[in-house]
Amino acid sequence: DAGITQSPRHKVTETGTPVTLRCHQTENHRYMYWYRQDPGHGLRLIHYSYGVKDTDKGEVSDGYSVSRSKTEDFLLTLESATSSQTSVYFCAITGEQGPNTEAFFGQGTRLTVV
Amino acid sequence: AQSVTQPDIHITVSEGASLELRCNYSYGATPYLFWYVQSPGQGLQLLLKYFSGDTLVQGIKGFEAEFKRSQSSFNLRKPSVHWSDAAEYFCAVGPGGSNFGNEKLTFGTGTRLTIIP
Repeated sequence: DAGITQSPRHKVTETGTPVTLRCHQTENHRYMYWYRQDPGHGLRLIHYSYGVKDTDKGEVSDGYSVSRSKTEDFLLTLESATSSQTSVYFCAITGEQGPNTEAFFGQGTRLTVV
Repeated sequence: AQSVTQPDIHITVSEGASLELRCNYSYGATPYLFWYVQSPGQGLQLLLKYFSGDTLVQGIKGFEAEFKRSQSSFNLRKPSVHWSDAAEYFCAVGPGGSNFGNEKLTFGTGTRLTIIP
């Protein structure tokens, strides 16, 4: 299995609080992604990174920010959590071919905003 | 922009029966195509992929998929399903080529497969 660890695996937080999810990889892969998974929507890309300090927005980036200060870590921050951000969040990594090669996924983080 | 459609939200199949999951894509050039499987509480795992060449590709767990350019389809098949195949299946499309720029991997909305005895 690819070495991808997401933390925490489960979190309940209150509306308006900031939340940070962490993705850690041991594969030295260049690309890292954050997706959210919701019923009826499949996986939607929030943000992605194509290198250290290089990030870009996905299709549902509003209310989220990311940082990548090291190759192995990609952080997703919900600046002020809202109930609409209740979801399952997945981190994924790919090698040099970016979207044209196999993506390896973490186990997911289930976030509930109350 | 590329898009992926999985028209079936939920499919129920008897154990031992054959399976076909549908996937249609929209993209100007020849895309890279993928099928992923997600077991409950898990992340996604690659089943198979198509980049070029033989349009019938074999994957893990006895799955295969056929790329049909004329129909913009990449349907997933298995001749005989097992109870352990119960999961959610996602089709995905990548932009292809080496100059993919800011283009991303796009996922369909998924098909949930239920297996009955």
